[in-house]
Parts: sequence; C-alpha cells; structure tokens
Amino acid sequence: SYVLTQPPSVSVAPGQTARITCGGNNIGGKPVHWYQQKPGQAPVLVVYDDRDRPSGIPERFSGSNSGNTATLTISRVEVGDEADYYCQVWGGGIDRYYVFGTGTKVTVL
Amino acid sequence: QITLKESGPTLVKPTQTLTLTCSFSGFSLSRNGEGLGWIRQPPGKALEFLALIYWDGDKRYNPFLKSRLTITKDTSKNQVVLTMTNLDPVDTATYYCAHRRRNTLYLDSWGQGTLVTVSS
Repeated sequence: SYVLTQPPSVSVAPGQTARITCGGNNIGGKPVHWYQQKPGQAPVLVVYDDRDRPSGIPERFSGSNSGNTATLTISRVEVGDEADYYCQVWGGGIDRYYVFGTGTKVTVL
Repeated sequence: QITLKESGPTLVKPTQTLTLTCSFSGFSLSRNGEGLGWIRQPPGKALEFLALIYWDGDKRYNPFLKSRLTITKDTSKNQVVLTMTNLDPVDTATYYCAHRRRNTLYLDSWGQGTLVTVSS
C-alpha cells in the first residue's frame, strides 16, 4: 500500500514561514492535496492539485510537489493557522483509494 | 452551497454492526463525475479513508477494511449509507462523510462528523 509520511510537528513564530513536508514514493507523479483541521472541527481543503487554492483560502497557503516530497508552505504565519495538516493522494495501481498522510501539528509559538 | 451531515448511533457494542447515514444537499449524486466518501479519525489519530461511491454506483473501499464495509446510495433521498460489521473498540472514531468534487481526486466539502464509541 502507498504510504505518506509527514513530520509529527512543526513550530513557527508568528510572521514566519512554516513548511510541512509529505513524503511518498515518486509522489511528484501524483496530484497532492492538503487539508487543515482545527481542534474539534472537520478538515478543510486548503490546497488541491499540488498548488491550487480553493476559493476563500488565503494566498499565504501554497504548495509544491517534486520527486519524493510534496510541501505545503504557509507564509506570514498567523495564530489562527495553528492546526493539524494532512496531505492526501489518490493511490494508483491496486491502491485506488484515498491515502492520507500521518498528519503534522503546526504550533504557532 | 454543499452541506453534509452524518447521523447514526453514538454508542455501539463490540461485534455489532454500525450503520451511518450521510444526508447531503447542494449537489446530485446522479450527476456524472460526482462522488461521496466516508473517512474516520480515531481520537488523537490521523484520517483514514473507508469507502467511496460514485455517481454511477461504482465503489472503492479501503482494502484493509473492505470485508467489513458496505456503501450504498439513495439518490432520491440524497443519502449515502455506510455499514461496518463486527465492530471493535479500535473502531471508536469520528466518522465523516465528504464530497468528492466532480472528476477530481480530492474532497472539497466535509460534514461535521459524528463520534461513534464502541464499548460494552
């Protein structure tokens, strides 16, 4: 089965840049999507197809994907960005289902 | 505007069968390309995909849980039902339904989730 690995936690000061990685075998060949989940709430899509943003998501959220690593970048981090973040791909081959990453807790210091 | 809401029991005994219903509005599951999925999240843990049903009735399951899961749709009622058999305490989780945007590979709208506890 296809596995997506994320760092358990990332800490960042307000106004700085947070980078959250998502590692997977040749993930650069798959579209990657990112979700933000605040405590007690449902996930919210923040980036889709590697780098596109849904309506209403600030430009501070951006994404990239190449090789074996996809990255979600949050620029000019705000206190309200503190949340868990999950990457997601659609597995290929026999893994034709949604695969989620292990999740990263972003803490704003 | 798409809305989804999960409903079902909050407490289930081990070995029992869980039936959850997702009631939705804002899209039609009979429209070409649409899909609706179920995802769960044990307390303090990561998201885990369970099942997806497409507009044409095609289905996808998490292969590790496939033998225990069934997903069905009632287009006339705008509902999707997930059944999971032989519940175990490890199945305690918040269960979400989510909309798969037409001809895409991501989930663009989610329900609020429903917490299901498996305990005797």
